[in-house]
Amino acid sequence: GEDVEQSLFLSVREGDSSVINCTYTDSSSTYLYWYKQEPGAGLQLLTYIFSNMDMKQDQRLTVLLNKKDKHLSLRIADTQTGDSAIYFCAESMGIRNTDKLIFGTGTRLQVFP
Amino acid sequence: DGGITQSPKYLFRKEGQNVTLSCEQNLNHDAMYWYRQDPGQGLRLIYYSQIVNDFQKGDIAEGYSVSREKKESFPLTVTSAQKNPTAFYLCASSIVAGVETGELFFGEGSRLTVL
Repeated sequence: GEDVEQSLFLSVREGDSSVINCTYTDSSSTYLYWYKQEPGAGLQLLTYIFSNMDMKQDQRLTVLLNKKDKHLSLRIADTQTGDSAIYFCAESMGIRNTDKLIFGTGTRLQVFP
Repeated sequence: DGGITQSPKYLFRKEGQNVTLSCEQNLNHDAMYWYRQDPGQGLRLIYYSQIVNDFQKGDIAEGYSVSREKKESFPLTVTSAQKNPTAFYLCASSIVAGVETGELFFGEGSRLTVL
């Protein structure tokens, strides 16, 4: 079935790296995404990775994809208090990438000084 | 500025009442979506629409209804048949044709509380 799993909470010290993990079930997903949700707001796309890539780096963000294990991770370098939010991974399910996105449960990242 | 506007931001409803949540976008996007967010459960898809006058049920459509009479508008009605309507509702839109990444653009959300 369709299921995207994440741990619910992560707490890190400011300046450290954060690693948020996600496991997904559909090996045919074309794209995998990381979205960020700040308190009381909607989600914003942080980054995405195409399924034929293993890694993607974008400034402080590094996405790693292990297709064999169906594991996706998001690493945030030099984590700041402004990074405190809920992070969702998502996989695309349809023929067209927007047909259906399956979201994970979200990981609440708390950054303390 | 282009974006998605949801209203109202907060809504209180008595049991047995229907309520309609508004979602308007001026991004000229073809597709629009409604998600429900509950603590610890992530986002679950209620309904989505790829084109005007057409929409499909998502994973949890029971107790909800939608319409798509205009490209820019996709209102969601939470009916009295929805057993547990208290939640945070998110509307989103995306370009359908010609875009590879499938990025969703979200509104700020509407928090519905049933008293």
